[in-house]
Amino acid sequence: DADVTQTPRNRITKTGKRIMLECSQTKGHDRMYWYRQDPGLGLQLIYYSFDVKDINKGEISDGYSVSRQAQAKFSLSLESAIPNQTALYFCATEDSKRTGELFFGEGSRLTVL
Amino acid sequence: ELKVEQNPLFLSMQEGKNYTIYCNYSTTSDRLYWYRQDPGKSLESLFVLLSNGAVKQEGRLMASLDTKARLSTLHITAAVHDLSATYFCAVEPPSNYKLTFGKGTLLTVNP
Repeated sequence: DADVTQTPRNRITKTGKRIMLECSQTKGHDRMYWYRQDPGLGLQLIYYSFDVKDINKGEISDGYSVSRQAQAKFSLSLESAIPNQTALYFCATEDSKRTGELFFGEGSRLTVL
Repeated sequence: ELKVEQNPLFLSMQEGKNYTIYCNYSTTSDRLYWYRQDPGKSLESLFVLLSNGAVKQEGRLMASLDTKARLSTLHITAAVHDLSATYFCAVEPPSNYKLTFGKGTLLTVNP
């Protein structure tokens, strides 16, 4: 089983729908991140959390919200999806006591029609 | 604002050849990471470079960091098809903890 699990892996939805992407990890890491990947643009940081009570906006947080339900769980929500949120979304974890290396989930491909 | 530039963005090379991917960044940092992504897959950590002059090697890949030049290189020796992937560098600014990624280099190794 993967150490960082994302659900769903693929989702097609319509404009205006609410969507939640979930991430859970078994690595015991305290830091968790949500990134968005668009072709040719690398990865852009949406939100990050250093512990359950700490949530921070990244570069492109508009239109997104997050919830850190537990140390192991970090969810990303799109309250009202729009087509330009069509992308590949990655959750990542980091152990703050180590090197700063990120460990990524398998990704969630979201298509908004 | 930290900017991270990789070049080339696209690289097609023959098996057995050598080549280097460059990662330049705009502000002071001594923490740089290289990741590999296969098509449709997740990102996998390749190298963690945490000081000036750091050099790491794994198989046919070698990464180095020159913090004074704000430059990291990923050198490929005697490329093989299995190295075909997209390679990303990512830089962590001091006291920020947030990685900024380059746009990635799509490497294709042809027989």
